[in-house]
Amino acid sequence: KAGVTQTPRYLIKTRGQQVTLSCSPISGHRSVSWYQQTPGQGLQFLFEYFSETQRNKGNFPGRFSGRQFSNSRSEMNVSTLELGDSALYLCASSLRLGNYGYTFGSGTRLTVV
Amino acid sequence: AQSVTQLGSHVSVSEGALVLLRCNYSSSVPPYLFWYVQYPNQGLQLLLKYTSAATLVKGINGFEAEFKKSETSFHLTKPSAHMSDAAEYFCAVSDLSGGSNYKLTFGKGTLLTVNP
Repeated sequence: KAGVTQTPRYLIKTRGQQVTLSCSPISGHRSVSWYQQTPGQGLQFLFEYFSETQRNKGNFPGRFSGRQFSNSRSEMNVSTLELGDSALYLCASSLRLGNYGYTFGSGTRLTVV
Repeated sequence: AQSVTQLGSHVSVSEGALVLLRCNYSSSVPPYLFWYVQYPNQGLQLLLKYTSAATLVKGINGFEAEFKKSETSFHLTKPSAHMSDAAEYFCAVSDLSGGSNYKLTFGKGTLLTVNP
């Protein structure tokens, strides 16, 4: 079956712009989480959605937001981009909330110039 | 609060040698522990997970890890390294110390190099 699909794979944006990243979870998975990966900070939790509701949020500014649709697909949005937002953004899906293990997508590489 | 420490940001082994990647965790409640592998320009692939069943966990590609509560460790091993094992490995912990937050807290990662 298809894995977690993230689009686009690569993005180049200018400081001050906004960006929307998309994640389609594995069919039947209802939980979607987002992580930011940078060389300096490593992997950091952004937020988790389940049944179209944000269940948990990491320590990121309000410029980072997300949503989940009724088909479990999720989007995350970053407004007023800063150079420091350059990172690999990873989406992970799980069957439901709980420690069942997450399946990650290949990520979206965002470069802010 | 939970945390993960991976000892050694870079480990180099010869092909056929034992692979040992170290992970220590901090958690105030019984943890769930995971090892993920990341190949260049790819996402994370789950190698194995510990969820309070058997303390010795077997994963994919010949990897296994042992949960040692007394040492708060969850080291990853493989008896014989293959060239294809070269990648970055991440240890992660998840617990309910933050309430209903099942988020994963990752270590900084260990880059494994396999020499021919």
